[in-house]
Amino acid sequence: QQQVKQSPQSLIVQKGGISIINCAYENTAFDYFPWYQQFPGKGPALLIAIRPDVSEKKEGRFTISFNKSAKQFSLHIMDSQPGDSATYFCALGGNAGNMLTFGGGTRLMVKP
Amino acid sequence: EAQVTQNPRYLITVTGKKLTVTCSQNMNHEYMSWYRQDPGLGLRQIYYSMNVEVTDKGDVPEGYKVSRKEKRNFPLILESPSPNQTSLYFCASSSTGKETQYFGPGTRLLVL
Repeated sequence: QQQVKQSPQSLIVQKGGISIINCAYENTAFDYFPWYQQFPGKGPALLIAIRPDVSEKKEGRFTISFNKSAKQFSLHIMDSQPGDSATYFCALGGNAGNMLTFGGGTRLMVKP
Repeated sequence: EAQVTQNPRYLITVTGKKLTVTCSQNMNHEYMSWYRQDPGLGLRQIYYSMNVEVTDKGDVPEGYKVSRKEKRNFPLILESPSPNQTSLYFCASSSTGKETQYFGPGTRLLVL
C-alpha cells in the first residue's frame, strides 16, 4: 500500500508558468516532508523540505505549501524554466530515523 | 568532493548469474540505503543500514542481499537475478539525525 500518493504523474508547463505537484499521505506520524529533484541520468537531490510547524516554506522560485489537517503538501514552481524540467519526488520522513518513503514521482517538462 | 559512487553504472546480465553492485560514500555517514526506481512506482527501498554490521529490510527486499562490513561501503547482491529485477538502482547515504539523503548516480540493470 502506497503511503504517499503523488499527482500528477506528468506535467507540461509553458516557460514562465506555475508548476504545481501534489502529495497526500495518511500516517500522521511523519514530521518531515522533503521534495527531491532528479535530472536525467542523475540521482535525486534534495530541493526543499518542510516540517509541519509551518504552513509554507519558500526558497527562491520553489515553495512548499503544507496543509496538516488535510494531510497534503504541494510543491509550487513559480516562473518555471526549461532548466526545471526533471522528475520530482515528494517524500515522508521523521518517524523512523533517517528513513524516507517516496511518492511515485512527477515528470515535469517546461516548454520554451 | 563529497559523493556517493556506484559501480557499475550500466549492467546487462542473464537470469541466474550472480552480480554485485558496489556503493561507496566518503562523507562518514552512518546510514546507507538501496532503492530501486521503476516508472510510476517512485523510489522503493530495498535494504538499509543504520551502521556497520546493522542492516534491515526495506519495502522490497525479496531477491536481494546486502552487507555492511565497512562504514563507507554497502554492496547490493543479486544472487540469482530475474527479469523482474530489471530496474534503475540508487544507493544513498545520510548522517544519523539528519534526514537529507545523498544519492549516487544510479545503476541501470537489465536482466535477460
